Amino acid sequence: SQTIHQWPATLVQPVGSPLSLECTVEGTSNPNLYWYRQAAGRGLQLLFYSVGIGQISSEVPQNLSASRPQDRQFILSSKKLLLSDSGFYLCAWSRDTQYFGPGTRLLVL
Amino acid sequence: AQSVAQPEDQVNVAEGNPLTVKCTYSVSGNPYLFWYVQYPNRGLQFLLKYITGDNLVKGSYGFEAEFNKSQTSFHLKKPSALVSDSALYFCAVRGEYKGYGNKLVFGAGTILRVKS
Repeated sequence: SQTIHQWPATLVQPVGSPLSLECTVEGTSNPNLYWYRQAAGRGLQLLFYSVGIGQISSEVPQNLSASRPQDRQFILSSKKLLLSDSGFYLCAWSRDTQYFGPGTRLLVL
Repeated sequence: AQSVAQPEDQVNVAEGNPLTVKCTYSVSGNPYLFWYVQYPNRGLQFLLKYITGDNLVKGSYGFEAEFNKSQTSFHLKKPSALVSDSALYFCAVRGEYKGYGNKLVFGAGTILRVKS
C-alpha cells in the first residue's frame, strides 16, 4: 500500500530564516505531487504541483519554491520566511485520487 | 472554469440523526467528484468519489454521496450521525479531461458538529 510522509510535523521559525519542508511517498512510482497551504484551518490553496522529476508548476507567485529531486520526494523551500508564510502545509500524491500527508504546522515569528 | 460551492459554513446535527453536507459544482464535461474529511491538525482523508456509474456512491465510515447531474450537486450523507463525525469536510471536483497535473478544485469546507 502507499504511504505519504511529511516532516517536520511542527516548526517555529523566525522571520527571515530559510525553510525546507520534505514530503516523501512510498509504494508507488511516478505520482503527481502537490503542495497546499491551509490558512486559518479552512480553505486549501494549491501552491505547487509536479508531474515528474524536475518538473514544477507554480500556482501562485510567492515567497516559496518547490523542487522534486527524486521521483517520490517533493520539497518546499524558502530563502527568507515572512510572517504571512505561517500556516498548515499539506503534501499530496495522486494517480487519479489525491491522498494527503499528515501536514506540517509552520509558525513564523 | 471549474468551481465548487459548499453553501454552509457549519452544519449542526444531533447524534443519531441523519446528516447532509451540501456541495454544488461547475465543470466542463463530465465531473469527477470527491469528498474529504479533516480532523484538527491532521491531513485530509479521502472518503469517497464519483467517476461514473451509479449515482449513489458509498464510502468510508458509513458515508455516502448522491450525484445529481441536473442539479450539479454531490451532497454527502450519513443515515445516523456520530459525535466522532464532527470534523471539517471538503468537496472537490475536476473535469474528466485530466489536463496537466490532474488538479482538483476544492470547496471552502463545511464544519460538521454532531452533538450528543
